[in-house]
Amino acid sequence: DGGITQSPKYLFRKEGQNVTLSCEQNLNHDAMYWYRQDPGQGLRLIYYSQIVNDFQKGDIAEGYSVSREKKESFPLTVTSAQKNPTAFYLCASSISGTSYEQYFGPGTRLTVT
Amino acid sequence: LAKTTQPISMDSYEGQEVNITCSHNNIATNDYITWYQQFPSQGPRFIIQGYKTKVTNEVASLFIPADRKSSTLSLPRVSLSDTAVYYCLVGPNRDDKIIFGKGTRLHILP
Repeated sequence: DGGITQSPKYLFRKEGQNVTLSCEQNLNHDAMYWYRQDPGQGLRLIYYSQIVNDFQKGDIAEGYSVSREKKESFPLTVTSAQKNPTAFYLCASSISGTSYEQYFGPGTRLTVT
Repeated sequence: LAKTTQPISMDSYEGQEVNITCSHNNIATNDYITWYQQFPSQGPRFIIQGYKTKVTNEVASLFIPADRKSSTLSLPRVSLSDTAVYYCLVGPNRDDKIIFGKGTRLHILP
């Protein structure tokens, strides 16, 4: 089955620790995205990548880092510099960077205490 | 950057047709209108996309008037499982980012 997988579904960390969220897709899509969603809010773009080995900051990139070494994978690291990391994180992909049809993963709910 | 405005929330009853309108007064010539649906604790799901007039698929219809300054997502005969947040997006944007607003919370009552 083609799709996007994110793991784990729930993640708990202590304040001050970096944590990496996994995102893998087997749709052969060029573009991948990370969003953050807080309760009752819309999605906010953290980082996006239109092609392997290239990525751009979204609207709320501070405190986050990404890599895109493989087409299938776009991991997100939430660093200790992110002041309010507790949120629902969603990864998505699209066939290209200009396509508005994005496919989303199931999300990772991160809780930092 | 085409900004969208849609109602924060709507209620309807099972079996009714629901219409959610989105305003996008400064839509550009090459912009498409796209709608997503999101259930709680899940990622959004693409529903429908259109450029002008009417588009219909197995899930919904999208009505776009000639001036394209608004669009209406129509859900026929809704059920409780249609309770979700619906996002209206307009683009592509010049910097190739997709912007999700807060969407419309649709609550279907029995």
